[in-house]
Amino acid sequence: GAGVSQSPSNKVTEKGKDVELRCDPISGHTALYWYRQSLGQGLEFLIYFQGNSAPDKSGLPSDRFSAERTGGSVSTLTIQRTQQEDSAVYLCASSSQRGNQPQHFGDGTRLSIL
Amino acid sequence: SQQGEEDPQALSIQEGENATMNCSYKTSINNLQWYRQNSGRGLVHLILIRSNEREKHSGRLRVTLDTSKKSSSLLITASRAADTASYFCATETSGTYKYIFGTGTRLKVLA
Repeated sequence: GAGVSQSPSNKVTEKGKDVELRCDPISGHTALYWYRQSLGQGLEFLIYFQGNSAPDKSGLPSDRFSAERTGGSVSTLTIQRTQQEDSAVYLCASSSQRGNQPQHFGDGTRLSIL
Repeated sequence: SQQGEEDPQALSIQEGENATMNCSYKTSINNLQWYRQNSGRGLVHLILIRSNEREKHSGRLRVTLDTSKKSSSLLITASRAADTASYFCATETSGTYKYIFGTGTRLKVLA
């Protein structure tokens, strides 16, 4: 596709359930980022993938959060045993190479934990 | 904690006026970028300025970078109602490919 695609666009789930969020980056982009944005706030870095290198997971807030990127393309962010404080918009971005490149963002997944 | 802090948090101006937003950061950077976010959407890249650059222009946008003060400013000239959005600065930390985003400036341009 022409841009970064994220699905679902909205997700409502009960506390304690697991959720999977998907990101399709721009074709050919080797760098992929996940961020979390709480209402009215800036973006909080979660994880960064670059090609086949080991991901930078330093922003994941707890071991309930994990992410993978299969085949260097599609990425999935998984949150296990969701808590109400996980409610936020989860944004994915990709860029064409490492360093000094603009990031291209998807429209995000709005996650609401009841 | 967030490295980038934008100032002001909110700004309301009349169409045709200029809007200036400031960003401060804390560590050495490779570059600084400005993004716009419309409500309910993802961020759109506006402009990137590298650490060895001092000023950059793109259309009605002008960005300055002062690495000695660890600050940047974004100037939007001749603002339009369509410029209404939140604006974020993001810094790429030296030695990493990690970006730190600020808390944003909410700009409202009144027609």
